[in-house]
Amino acid sequence: DGGITQSPKYLFRKEGQNVTLSCEQNLNHDAMYWYRQDPGQGLRLIYYSQIVNDFQKGDIAEGYSVSREKKESFPLTVTSAQKNPTAFYLCASSILTSGGWNEQFFGPGTRLTVL
Amino acid sequence: QQQVKQSPQSLIVQKGGISIINCAYENTAFDYFPWYQQFPGKGPALLIAIRPDVSEKKEGRFTISFNKSAKQFSLHIMDSQPGDSATYFCAAVSYGQNFVFGPGTRLSVLP
Repeated sequence: DGGITQSPKYLFRKEGQNVTLSCEQNLNHDAMYWYRQDPGQGLRLIYYSQIVNDFQKGDIAEGYSVSREKKESFPLTVTSAQKNPTAFYLCASSILTSGGWNEQFFGPGTRLTVL
Repeated sequence: QQQVKQSPQSLIVQKGGISIINCAYENTAFDYFPWYQQFPGKGPALLIAIRPDVSEKKEGRFTISFNKSAKQFSLHIMDSQPGDSATYFCAAVSYGQNFVFGPGTRLSVLP
């Protein structure tokens, strides 16, 4: 059963704590992404990785960190430096189609709430 | 120039009606235009996509219309059903670049 899994589904964090969101894919996709979604808003790119051991900042990387030690895994750490971390976090992966463009697939998301 | 504009922000349609969501872009390098459907608490799922070499693509009740000269594309949902109630995102991407998403349209189909 192929797909993208994210865990946990819900996460609560106290102020000042770092938390790590898990993202795993068994689609054999090279590229992986993290997005943040706030209520009533679109998707904003946090970080992305095209290959193992390499990643780039997206539009809103401040206060977040990632690693890509394995092709199938792309965990996101929300650090205490992120002042407003309450949001819905989406992981995605993509594959280059035969037509020459990326097709992106999303995981089910993690809802992070700061207490 | 990387922005994708989407309207309306929210849409209410009666069951059986036609839902129309519009998107516009500036970057002429975009060459792939997908639409995603997202239900509350779930991740977005690819609904339908189009490349600019065609003006229309239809899959079941869902149709994308594409106007390259106007740099606009739209999603039409025919015979809208309550189960279509969701948030819809348009996106645009060019080869080797990241996706640019519109802000989303919340569709409510009344029974």
